[in-house]
Amino acid sequence: AQSVTQLDSHVSVSEGTPVLLRCNYSSSYSPSLFWYVQHPNKGLQLLLKYTSAATLVKGINGFEAEFKKSETSFHLTKPSAHMSDAAEYFCVVSSGEYGNKLVFGAGTILRVKS
Amino acid sequence: GAVVSQHPSRVICKSGTSVKIECRSLDFQATTMFWYRQFPKQSLMLMATSNEGSKATYEQGVEKDKFLINHASLTLSTLTVTSAHPEDSSFYICSARAWTGANYGYTFGSGTRLTVV
Repeated sequence: AQSVTQLDSHVSVSEGTPVLLRCNYSSSYSPSLFWYVQHPNKGLQLLLKYTSAATLVKGINGFEAEFKKSETSFHLTKPSAHMSDAAEYFCVVSSGEYGNKLVFGAGTILRVKS
Repeated sequence: GAVVSQHPSRVICKSGTSVKIECRSLDFQATTMFWYRQFPKQSLMLMATSNEGSKATYEQGVEKDKFLINHASLTLSTLTVTSAHPEDSSFYICSARAWTGANYGYTFGSGTRLTVV
């Protein structure tokens, strides 16, 4: 079975400092992994996805994530936080041999201090 | 890019009434759509998988007679909350899946905030 663990429910950083949101996964198949961002009362926006190509994935808004099979991790990073990055972030793994369903992590709320 | 339109964004209804939420894929066809429910400060929970032209597949614990799903075309799926009660108040989000040629891509709607009074 597939599962996702987001290790931090809340992360607080100062504007201009690096962001690290941690995610570990388990999967019976070669996984597809995603990071989504959700602003309050909004839908989800795809930041980036890993689908067995390059292990370092670059996404939108300066975010990137590295797939590490040996550590079963897919941490999200950004070199310099911006106030507009404050939101909730979900790490997601596709479930099943053909990625039939998405399994969501519990989410990490990112707070950016000025 | 792929866009999914979800309507309405907010709805307030009285207990006992029914509410319909629409999810449309605007520039692509989606044979499969997903409906999620999100409680405050919690993650998304999959309610059901909607397949065009066939019955929806509901997750364990989701009442199919209460949450009616219709996927009559390749671009439209609807979720109807029947005989709504205050405990049905929640944020509902749909997602449309399309094959990209190499894997599946998922596009989410903007969500519907349902408040039952």
